[in-house]
Amino acid sequence: KNEVEQSPQNLTAQEGEFITINCSYSVGISALHWLQQHPGGGIVSLFMLSSGKKKHGRLIATINIQEKHSSLHITASHPRDSAVYICAVGGEYGNKLVFGAGTILRVKS
Amino acid sequence: DTEVTQTPKHLVMGMTNKKSLKCEQHMGHRAMYWYKQKAKKPPELMFVYSYEKLSINESVPSRFSPECPNSSLLNLHLHALQPEDSALYLCASSQVGTSNEKLFFGSGTQLSVL
Repeated sequence: KNEVEQSPQNLTAQEGEFITINCSYSVGISALHWLQQHPGGGIVSLFMLSSGKKKHGRLIATINIQEKHSSLHITASHPRDSAVYICAVGGEYGNKLVFGAGTILRVKS
Repeated sequence: DTEVTQTPKHLVMGMTNKKSLKCEQHMGHRAMYWYKQKAKKPPELMFVYSYEKLSINESVPSRFSPECPNSSLLNLHLHALQPEDSALYLCASSQVGTSNEKLFFGSGTQLSVL
């Protein structure tokens, strides 16, 4: 079993839909990261959180430390949200992150 | 300036070539990272430099040689690579190198080894 599991692996949505991507982890952590990677390579850090909830524009990230689970929500999805979303956790390994396999999101117009 | 700049964006090299990848940041970050990413896979950590000293080497083959000449620059020297080393090489930086800091990534160098 991987230490960080993401679901779903692939997700196709219509423009405007509410999207949820889930991340479960089995290790102790000090922080969980949500990353976005568009085709062509560059990775952008969306959120880093260790408790509660964070919001930035149409993106919301939540974490439940007791349940070892985090969700990334996208409200009013748009085709430009199409990307790979990666969950990564850090803590037990110093400054090494353990990455999930990623969720490929496609938003159709 | 919140950018991590990587050059070149693309690189094609033969197995006998020597080349270098370059990464630069001017955010005052003291931790810099090299990651390797194969298609449709998450990034894999290769090296971490903390305060210009190598702090993590993830058992990377010696044909990859990192260098941190100063706090703003990180190089990855490549020599005698194999075709399976073809991948996207990503540089990242963070403030001091703990896991609860935001990471800033460059756009990567797409490397093809022929």
